[in-house]
Amino acid sequence: RKEVEQDPGPFNVPEGATVAFNCTYSNSASQSFFWYRQDCRKEPKLLMSVYSSGNEDGRFTAQLNRASQYISLLIRDSKLSDSATYLCVVNYFILTGGGNKLTFGTGTQLKVEL
Amino acid sequence: DAGVTQSPTHLIKTRGQHVTLRCSPISGHKSVSWYQQVLGQGPQFIFQYYEKEERGRGNFPDRFSARQFPNYSSELNVNALLLGDSALYLCASSPDLLRGRLADTQYFGPGTRLTVL
Repeated sequence: RKEVEQDPGPFNVPEGATVAFNCTYSNSASQSFFWYRQDCRKEPKLLMSVYSSGNEDGRFTAQLNRASQYISLLIRDSKLSDSATYLCVVNYFILTGGGNKLTFGTGTQLKVEL
Repeated sequence: DAGVTQSPTHLIKTRGQHVTLRCSPISGHKSVSWYQQVLGQGPQFIFQYYEKEERGRGNFPDRFSARQFPNYSSELNVNALLLGDSALYLCASSPDLLRGRLADTQYFGPGTRLTVL
């Protein structure tokens, strides 16, 4: 079983639609959580951190459920420019070295269409 | 401010050769991490360095090694290249210690696309 699992999609939605992505993680020792966005053949870019209390940044809302080990991302009023791959990311603290290791899902591809 | 920079942007090698990839972190960041991303997958953690010391290592063979220099830049070395090493190699940097730990937020460079023939 993969440590971080996401539906690979693609999700094809019309402009203006609301779309939700889900992600589950298997290691309860996970420390912190993020959503990254990756455009084709580009580097991942931090979209937002995810907290149990939920957090919102404009049209984007992220939510964490630690009991269920489940993370979500909601995009409202989709724009053509939202088309990208969305990566669910879980951070683990490395006990032996004191570092941080990001573990990525395979990503969910979103295509917003006219 | 400049972000994370990596060189070269593209590289073509043949099986059995060796490669060195370079990374400079965001100014003021002292931690550098390396990731490998093969097509269709999310990035996989290879190493993290802070203050020239290795702070974490992923499940990669000993053919992969790295180091960090006093100016916080880093090199990733891969020996005896295999076809399966073809991937996008990403470097990420993190801000300094936060509450006694390395900050967990990482910012990625544009990557080096390695093709092994």
